[in-house]
Amino acid sequence: KQEVTQIPAALSVPEGENLVLNCSFTDSAIYNLQWFRQDPGKGLTSLLLIQSSQREQTSGRLNASLDKSSGRSTLYIAASQPGDSATYLCAVRPMDSSYKLIFGSGTRLLVRP
Amino acid sequence: EAGVAQSPRYKIIEKRQSVAFWCNPISGHATLYWYQQILGQGPKLLIQFQNNGVVDDSQLPKDRFSAERLKGVDSTLKIQPAKLEDSAVYLCASSPLGADYGYTFGSGTRLTVV
Repeated sequence: KQEVTQIPAALSVPEGENLVLNCSFTDSAIYNLQWFRQDPGKGLTSLLLIQSSQREQTSGRLNASLDKSSGRSTLYIAASQPGDSATYLCAVRPMDSSYKLIFGSGTRLLVRP
Repeated sequence: EAGVAQSPRYKIIEKRQSVAFWCNPISGHATLYWYQQILGQGPKLLIQFQNNGVVDDSQLPKDRFSAERLKGVDSTLKIQPAKLEDSAVYLCASSPLGADYGYTFGSGTRLTVV
């Protein structure tokens, strides 16, 4: 059974810091991994999607890496801003016929001005 | 492009009552998902539809939960009777057929069972 774990559960940093969020998964048989952002009272917004054949994806100040063989992914946020404060969730799409996603519990990020 | 619409935004009911949630996906998205997110946890898939057929409902508590997507467009998720542990945010999502990109979530319905 696929399990997704995110560490740390919460993180508080001063504005301007570079930071890394971690995600691990137990079964390497995945099609892809996605990072989502969730703001309070709102739905999830997809940030980056990494296919299983890729090593990393970049969008602006965000960079996500994937090491499928070791079951790990990281989300790097450069020059953090207060507007980055949110919960970040990683999710894997298992290698089966559906398109369901299996989520971690998320990292709650607070960027202090 | 309009997003995934869900209603109501909030619902408070007593245990053993029934409740229904509604979702209207992005136009043209063939696949619709209902996820349950308990406070402090990540979303968990309850049921996945492709057009009006069920693809995966392995984690749906079928003794109390039901869902339908009659015309392959909007969908309703029902709980009857509700239990305290059903308190959660119910998220609807949709995606194009056969695509990983474009996975779009609604804002959810927050259910409190007292």
